[in-house]
Amino acid sequence: DAGVIQSPRHEVTEMGQEVTLRCKPISGHNSLFWYRQTMMRGLELLIYFNNNVPIDDSGMPEDRFSAKMPNASFSTLKIQPSEPRDSAVYFCASSSLDSGANVLTFGAGSRLTVL
Amino acid sequence: QQQVKQSPQSLIVQKGGISIINCAYENTAFDYFPWYQQFPGKGPALLIAIRPDVSEKKEGRFTISFNKSAKQFSLHIMDSQPGDSATYFCAAKTSGSRLTFGEGTQLTVNP
Repeated sequence: DAGVIQSPRHEVTEMGQEVTLRCKPISGHNSLFWYRQTMMRGLELLIYFNNNVPIDDSGMPEDRFSAKMPNASFSTLKIQPSEPRDSAVYFCASSSLDSGANVLTFGAGSRLTVL
Repeated sequence: QQQVKQSPQSLIVQKGGISIINCAYENTAFDYFPWYQQFPGKGPALLIAIRPDVSEKKEGRFTISFNKSAKQFSLHIMDSQPGDSATYFCAAKTSGSRLTFGEGTQLTVNP
């Protein structure tokens, strides 16, 4: 298995632009998580899905952030409009509910820089 | 009550020394305590995990010590190597819930 695949790996954009981050979870995993990592705040859970359904989006910073999971093999995290304070590394992780979702497999992350 | 507090924030150890990272929690319903290791430019990866029915789990040079009464658990890295230099996260969860991560510890092992 290729693991959790995220794209793009790096994104540099200007304030006000729309940013879309993509994630392909491990085949057969039915839980998907979006995290944001910064030096100041560490790893923050933004949102997670079970069986493609959003379960908890309380970590989404504000209405500028949205996430979708149209099917079991694809998810997006969108920021519109982007702001410099959104600069961070965004991780997608997947897990199997069958094992209690105990073990998260993380992707390599998408490093976002908003100028 | 869902928080997991981790210390120290950073740690510098000489090669061959013992690295110790500590975590404390409040929620007594937590029943799974993993540690994740993250190298620069990579996502965190599961290193070792423990359940509260045992007080210690060892995998190679890595050991988790668990103190249920004190609501604390720690990661010990024996014979620390420069290749162990990474950020370490403790975490905890209850059955059916999502993982709660600690703040992370940046470990540097000097040659």
